[in-house]
Amino acid sequence: AQSVTQPDIHITVSEGASLELRCNYSYGATPYLFWYVQSPGQGLQLLLKYFSGDTLVQGIKGFEAEFKRSQSSFNLRKPSVHWSDAAEYFCAVVPTGGGNKLTFGTGTQLKVEL
Amino acid sequence: DTAVSQTPKYLVTQMGNDKSIKCEQNLGHDTMYWYKQDSKKFLKIMFSYNNKELIINETVPNRFSPKSPDKAHLNLHINSLELGDSAVYFCASSPDEVGGYTFGSGTRLTVV
Repeated sequence: AQSVTQPDIHITVSEGASLELRCNYSYGATPYLFWYVQSPGQGLQLLLKYFSGDTLVQGIKGFEAEFKRSQSSFNLRKPSVHWSDAAEYFCAVVPTGGGNKLTFGTGTQLKVEL
Repeated sequence: DTAVSQTPKYLVTQMGNDKSIKCEQNLGHDTMYWYKQDSKKFLKIMFSYNNKELIINETVPNRFSPKSPDKAHLNLHINSLELGDSAVYFCASSPDEVGGYTFGSGTRLTVV
């Protein structure tokens, strides 16, 4: 079955530490890939997206993500986390050839310790 | 000027009532969506409209009825509200090309 999985429900990191949030997908063809962030009580903001080309994608707020076809993964990274990065992070996909239906993973809640 | 605006932001109502949530976008996008976020933060698409035409209708109880008077507006009407309808409802819009979703800030619906 087609799915997008975020294995980590919660992650806690210290401020200044590096961060990696995992995302795996299971689709016949590589879908279009996205990362969104939801701050408490807020809507969803697009961090970055991957359609094709360079497998390392730069986004806003110092985030980047790496697409690895062999692992069906699209992990989000940040070299040095700030306290304001505490939020819920969602990986999302749009299947190729399937219109523009955005399907979300279950989310990873990031806590930042000062 | 908010790109995708939803009203109200909070809605508390009793079981059995009928309520509506309104959404407007000023981005000129052709497609609009409703998503439901449950208490575990899981986001699931409910409906999408393209230029006033329904194109996605997921498995949603027929108590939920979307209405799109024009391509800038997509309202969600819910009849006979149940406790399980309590959630945050997000409106979104997108242009025709893939991705490019812009989300509203959500409506927190609490059914008591």
